[in-house]
Amino acid sequence: QSALTQPASVSESPGQSITISCTGTNSDVGGYNYVSWYQQHPGKAPKLIIYDVTKRPSGVSNRFSASKSGNTASLTISGLRAEDEADYYCSSYTISDTSNWVFGGGTKLTVL
Amino acid sequence: QITLKESGPTLVKPTQTLTLTCTFSGFSLTTTGVGVGWIRQSPGKALEWLGIIYWNGDNRYSTSLESRLTITMDTSKNQVVLTVTNVDPVDTATYFCARRPAPYYTLDYWGQGALVTVSS
Repeated sequence: QSALTQPASVSESPGQSITISCTGTNSDVGGYNYVSWYQQHPGKAPKLIIYDVTKRPSGVSNRFSASKSGNTASLTISGLRAEDEADYYCSSYTISDTSNWVFGGGTKLTVL
Repeated sequence: QITLKESGPTLVKPTQTLTLTCTFSGFSLTTTGVGVGWIRQSPGKALEWLGIIYWNGDNRYSTSLESRLTITMDTSKNQVVLTVTNVDPVDTATYFCARRPAPYYTLDYWGQGALVTVSS
């Protein structure tokens, strides 16, 4: 099972915007509109913040937005706040694994 | 209100079989399209997909682990059980269960996780 590729870490100042990438292949990210993003604070369970590439679940701030181009999906967080500091994971439907699911390696966001 | 909670041993010896139970409420695993998945996270590492069971009993397991994994369900008890055979210290992780809502390929509700240590 090959994980989707994410940058290990990103950092930005409060109030700014940041984009986290998630790169896969035509067998996952590029081939299907089933990319999700999860936020995980230390010691906590992941929280769904984006599904179906661009959709936000009820209750998730509109400061979180996402998109996809080719084999790369992106999560953008605008108006960064201290509470956004967390790990972010992408996931996608895939035909390259018998489970049909794959996660990214995760990105640590530091709000300076 | 949808909740999921993992339960099971906190310590398992190498070569033994690990059995974890996910007890859920607020939804039914008999609803078309719904699934319950298992994900684990080794200390300081990324999320790793393990497998999922769907409303119709269909299973999908991670290619790398499918020979050691079994996921079953008891709809009368609202429980999903994960079994991992022949565990090794590398299986030390926090194990999460999560709901797959129909008809989406996502996980919208997660359990709090259960830390399992494999050590002699």
